Amino acid sequence: AQKITQTQPGMFVQEKEAVTLDCTYDTSDQSYGLFWYKQPSSGEMIFLIYQGSYDEQNATEGRYSLNFQKARKSANLVISASQLGDSAMYFCAMREGSGSARQLTFGSGTQLTVLP
Amino acid sequence: DVKVTQSSRYLVKRTGEKVFLECVQDMDHENMFWYRQDPGLGLRLIYFSYDVKMKEKGDIPEGYSVSREKKERFSLILESASTNQTSMYLCASSAYISREAFFGQGTRLTVV
Repeated sequence: AQKITQTQPGMFVQEKEAVTLDCTYDTSDQSYGLFWYKQPSSGEMIFLIYQGSYDEQNATEGRYSLNFQKARKSANLVISASQLGDSAMYFCAMREGSGSARQLTFGSGTQLTVLP
Repeated sequence: DVKVTQSSRYLVKRTGEKVFLECVQDMDHENMFWYRQDPGLGLRLIYFSYDVKMKEKGDIPEGYSVSREKKERFSLILESASTNQTSMYLCASSAYISREAFFGQGTRLTVV
């Protein structure tokens, strides 16, 4: 079974509008972390936002927020006021595991295109 | 400034060759990871290491091995390269309790 599922291979959004990128995860661990990364066409991986499984508040970082619904095992990324520079591949990831052996698993990604 | 450095950006190797991909981090991180990235498949974990000489298989370890003799260096080894191992390879590292994994610039490997 997939540990991280991103069901939207591609998304389009109009500049200045908000967009939600979906992510669902599967784990039996009680303690885990959820991440979103951005990969522009240059190929670098840029960390955007983190949510811990015990965090009660949804994480926010500037225009990025993570809509964490623990019971539904979803961790959707919301980008407000989209900009042309937001066009990129976006990956959801989960860190799980016990002790020091903590695996970091990624989804298949969503290609976001922001339209002028 | 944190840094994860992969030894090559581009590499071309012949089928059957033994290939070494090197990754070095300067942040004293415990955890290091090797991924391959293919279109439509995202990043797939090959191996990870949580300490010197300690390693765990990821989702697609077949055809690969790893070595971590020093904390800062994590090597990915293709014992006998095959064309289906043509891919982008990404190395990452993170501290045990950190919120972020840091990535290298990637190595695009072509096996001909």
